[in-house]
Amino acid sequence: KQEVTQIPAALSVPEGENLVLNCSFTDSAIYNLQWFRQDPGKGLTSLLLIQSSQREQTSGRLNASLDKSSGRSTLYIAASQPGDSATYLCAPTGSARQLTFGSGTQLTVLP
Amino acid sequence: DAGVIQSPRHEVTEMGQEVTLRCKPISGHDYLFWYRQTMMRGLELLIYFNNNVPIDDSGMPEDRFSAKMPNASFSTLKIQPSEPRDSAVYFCASTLGTEETQYFGPGTRLLVL
Repeated sequence: KQEVTQIPAALSVPEGENLVLNCSFTDSAIYNLQWFRQDPGKGLTSLLLIQSSQREQTSGRLNASLDKSSGRSTLYIAASQPGDSATYLCAPTGSARQLTFGSGTQLTVLP
Repeated sequence: DAGVIQSPRHEVTEMGQEVTLRCKPISGHDYLFWYRQTMMRGLELLIYFNNNVPIDDSGMPEDRFSAKMPNASFSTLKIQPSEPRDSAVYFCASTLGTEETQYFGPGTRLLVL
């Protein structure tokens, strides 16, 4: 059974800092990996999807990397802004399309 | 497209009552997923469908939970009878198999008293 761990559980940084969120998973037989953002009381918004054959994916100030063999992914946020404050969730996808979620990293960016 | 639509957005009910949650996936998507989110257990997959057929319901907690997908544009998750421990946010998500990105609805916040 896939298990996903996200470190740190919470992070508070001043505006403008670059930061890295970490995700590790136990079963490397994944189809792809998605990073989501969840704002309080809201649904999930997909940020990036990395296919199992890819090493990296970028969207604006976000960059996600994937090392499938070691069961690790990172989400890099450049020049953080208060609007980036949210919970970030990592979810590897199994071969049958099912997602397994980590418990998330709660990010606060202070103005 | 309006995205994944869920109703109701909030539901408060008493223990023992039947609860029905509804989901309309994005048009054209062939996979539909039901998730539950609680503080204690995080986000858990309950069941998913492919082309309206249930594929894996191993995440359904017990027989009180059932889900149906009568057609490509509608799914229900039913809890009968409801219990206080069922209180959670229930999310529906859909995806097109060839694209993989899962799109989530806004969720239904359920409180069972």
